[in-house]
Amino acid sequence: AQTVTQSQPEMSVQEAETVTLSCTYDTSENNYYLFWYKQPPSRQMILVIRQEAYKQQNATENRFSVNFQKAAKSFSLKISDSQLGDTAMYFCAFMRAGNNRKLIWGLGTSLAVNP
Amino acid sequence: NAGVTQTPKFRVLKTGQSMTLLCAQDMNHEYMYWYRQDPGMGLRLIHYSVGEGTTAKGEVPDGYNVSRLKKQNFLLGLESAAPSQTSVYFCASSFGNSGANVLTFGAGSRLTVL
Repeated sequence: AQTVTQSQPEMSVQEAETVTLSCTYDTSENNYYLFWYKQPPSRQMILVIRQEAYKQQNATENRFSVNFQKAAKSFSLKISDSQLGDTAMYFCAFMRAGNNRKLIWGLGTSLAVNP
Repeated sequence: NAGVTQTPKFRVLKTGQSMTLLCAQDMNHEYMYWYRQDPGMGLRLIHYSVGEGTTAKGEVPDGYNVSRLKKQNFLLGLESAAPSQTSVYFCASSFGNSGANVLTFGAGSRLTVL
């Protein structure tokens, strides 16, 4: 069975600095997708970034980028130039290719961006 | 474009009462899901639907029922609420059945069962 582990329950960063959130996963699958979702205090879950396992190039979305290490089964999220609005819970999630209902979630990392 | 809308946003029930949470999406998505989120347990899938008229059980279906009579609506029912069902419930939808079609979430419904 697939599992997703986020080893940092809480983190903090100063505004404008860079922070990296860790995520590891366990699977025997070769084709899959990885996601980072953000849940701000408003509660709504928002997709931050997505990575296809068959792509070697790390995904980037503006200030957000990932370090995808397939062999190590690691999928960390880097937030550059942190902003106060980045304060949120961040969830890492795994999904087998072609099976949307099997979205496996980590327990989340609470990130606080301090002014 | 409203996306995914959940009603109500908050509800307090007494043990044994029944209620229905409504999820509506205006994106013509085929797939819809109900999750619950509890502290320290992440998101857990309750039920899901792969199209109008279909439903299927997720990880934690006991105590819940669902219906998808219309493509845009996915209802989650609690027939006899229990304190263990106190949680935040999220509805989500997606266009298809691949990772390219990411989930769009509603804002959540906080349910308290006394």
